[in-house]
Amino acid sequence: EVQLVESGGGLVQPGGSLRLSCAASGFTFSSYIMHWVRQAPGKGLVWVSRINSDGSATSYADSVKGRFTISRDNARNTLNLQMNSLTPEDTAVYYCVRDRDGFNFWGQGTLVTVSS
Amino acid sequence: DIVMTQSPESLAVSLGERATINCKSSQSVLHSSNNNNYLGWYQQKPGQPPKLLIYWASNRESGVPDRFSGSGSGTDFTLTISSLQAEDVAVYYCHQYYSTPYTFGQGTKLEIK
Repeated sequence: EVQLVESGGGLVQPGGSLRLSCAASGFTFSSYIMHWVRQAPGKGLVWVSRINSDGSATSYADSVKGRFTISRDNARNTLNLQMNSLTPEDTAVYYCVRDRDGFNFWGQGTLVTVSS
Repeated sequence: DIVMTQSPESLAVSLGERATINCKSSQSVLHSSNNNNYLGWYQQKPGQPPKLLIYWASNRESGVPDRFSGSGSGTDFTLTISSLQAEDVAVYYCHQYYSTPYTFGQGTKLEIK
């Protein structure tokens, strides 16, 4: 059974940092492009970042470029998102997403709240 | 950036009736190299993550009921639910994965009339 389990969310002050992780199981993690997508409370879906299967290529939404870093550890089947210089606009549920002919599998998400 | 515009923003349909949601992209998402439209449709129920229904604009994901279908090409796409069931109440999103930044429509809220 395919599973993506996000962790690391929580309450952080503006300007602070958080590191999200996503534990993958039930599929060959190293074969898939992976993404982070976020959803602010009551709002729509916003793509955040993408990493290719071996971790050699990444891309980011302009809103997070220079502040967020996506990475992966294929030996540990883990996807990460290092988030720095957080602002209240980063408050959202962050989803880890597998890419295969579209975003074909989503984790349950982890909530990040940026507030003083 | 490719802007995805869905219509309507909300929709109320009677049980057993057809529901149609439209999506328009600001530029074509048809890739000439493989003739695929890089367009997906997702269903999101309250408190749940999105679920992929349709990929390549018209291919139904495994396990998705056949009352769901996708059509269109280039810049204009449609998601059709042929006979609405109570469990189909959700927000539906279209999504282009043609180019970064990947973008989603604003969502269409589907309710029972």
